[in-house]
Amino acid sequence: RKEVEQDPGPFNVPEGATVAFNCTYSNSASQSFFWYRQDCRKEPKLLMSVYSSGNEDGRFTAQLNRASQYISLLIRDSKLSDSATYLCVVSPSGNTPLVFGKGTRLSVIA
Amino acid sequence: NAGVTQTPKFQVLKTGQSMTLQCAQDMNHNSMYWYRQDPGMGLRLIYYSASEGTTDKGEVPNGYNVSRLNKREFSLRLESAAPSQTSVYFCASKGQGGQPQHFGDGTRLSIL
Repeated sequence: RKEVEQDPGPFNVPEGATVAFNCTYSNSASQSFFWYRQDCRKEPKLLMSVYSSGNEDGRFTAQLNRASQYISLLIRDSKLSDSATYLCVVSPSGNTPLVFGKGTRLSVIA
Repeated sequence: NAGVTQTPKFQVLKTGQSMTLQCAQDMNHNSMYWYRQDPGMGLRLIYYSASEGTTDKGEVPNGYNVSRLNKREFSLRLESAAPSQTSVYFCASKGQGGQPQHFGDGTRLSIL
């Protein structure tokens, strides 16, 4: 089983749609969780951290289910500018390198 | 707000040439990382440095060497470049514990 698994997509959705991405991780001792966004040929940028109680940042909602080792990202009211690859990222423990999923590609269509 | 700075941004090399990619961060982070990303692929960790004075191999270290020059700087060296090393190279840094990583904007390296 891969350490972090994501559906590669692509997800093609119309503007205004709600879209959800899922991610599973294999290391039950993982401590920190993040979603990053990567635009074509650019560096990954932190979108949001994921907290145990779930958290929201504007149109974006992240959820964590430790029992199922599952992380999700929900994007409401999709914008054209949301088109990017979304990376699920897990921190196995304090100072070991973060583990990046291969990403889920989203295209928002007018 | 510099964050993580990589130089150069673009480079073209001939097979067999050597090259050092530079990375510096101004966030007082302990940990620094080098990744490569090939077209349409995910990030692959080359080397990392959990703290000043230490370096460790990642997933794809062959053909590369690193130096953690001081807390701020972490360089990546290709001793004898090969076409298979054509890629985009990202440097990143991270603070203590479960903090996120911050990336530089990459070096696009082509080896002919």
